[in-house]
Amino acid sequence: EIVLTQSPGTLSLSPGERATLSCRASQSVGSNFLAWYQQKPGQAPRLLISGASSRATGIPDRFSGSGSGTDFTLTISRLEPEDFAVYYCQQYGSSPLYTFGQGTKLEIK
Amino acid sequence: EVQLVESGGGLMKPGGSLSLSCEVSGFIVSSNYMSWVRQAPGKGLEWLSVIYSGGRTYYADSVRGRFTISRDHSNNTLYLQMNNLRAEDTAVYYCARGPTRVINLGMDVWGQGTTVTVSS
Repeated sequence: EIVLTQSPGTLSLSPGERATLSCRASQSVGSNFLAWYQQKPGQAPRLLISGASSRATGIPDRFSGSGSGTDFTLTISRLEPEDFAVYYCQQYGSSPLYTFGQGTKLEIK
Repeated sequence: EVQLVESGGGLMKPGGSLSLSCEVSGFIVSSNYMSWVRQAPGKGLEWLSVIYSGGRTYYADSVRGRFTISRDHSNNTLYLQMNNLRAEDTAVYYCARGPTRVINLGMDVWGQGTTVTVSS
């Protein structure tokens, strides 16, 4: 089973700043089968990124994903007030155990 | 409109059984990979089970042997049968489409969630 470790656990930033979230896998994630999700309180998760770097439909271009192998990054170039939420990475390369990371909380500083 | 609507959650005693439903609109459930994911109070996301379009099913270790995923093509609905419930099964349960490695797409459609509470 691939274990995903996200860092930091909490990130405190101000609107307009750049956010960099990390997701590290215990083993290589084949074919970059890595997704990022955003979850706001009381809501279901929302898909942001698939394939490590492909934005989902309707996701603003301030969100970008990068990385390969075991190290992946979600970057939000200029934080908007609505971006403060919890972010999860998920691998779906190690079929059939589609594990999630523990999450990074992005909070307003 | 593409939509998933879960139902069936509630309060159950340990050892009890419960069946969750996920009504699918806008696409055919049996033509897609479909998953169940849960979130315990104040905790992160936990993937539980997937059913492939071909019908194969897989489970996380935490629920294997107790939970069963299935689907009904005629009413375009996904199910999760949960037996021998434990306190640690208390969570919000979500159904979602995907993930799909064939097109390298994560879970792109989610339901709103249904709450299961297991307590004596």
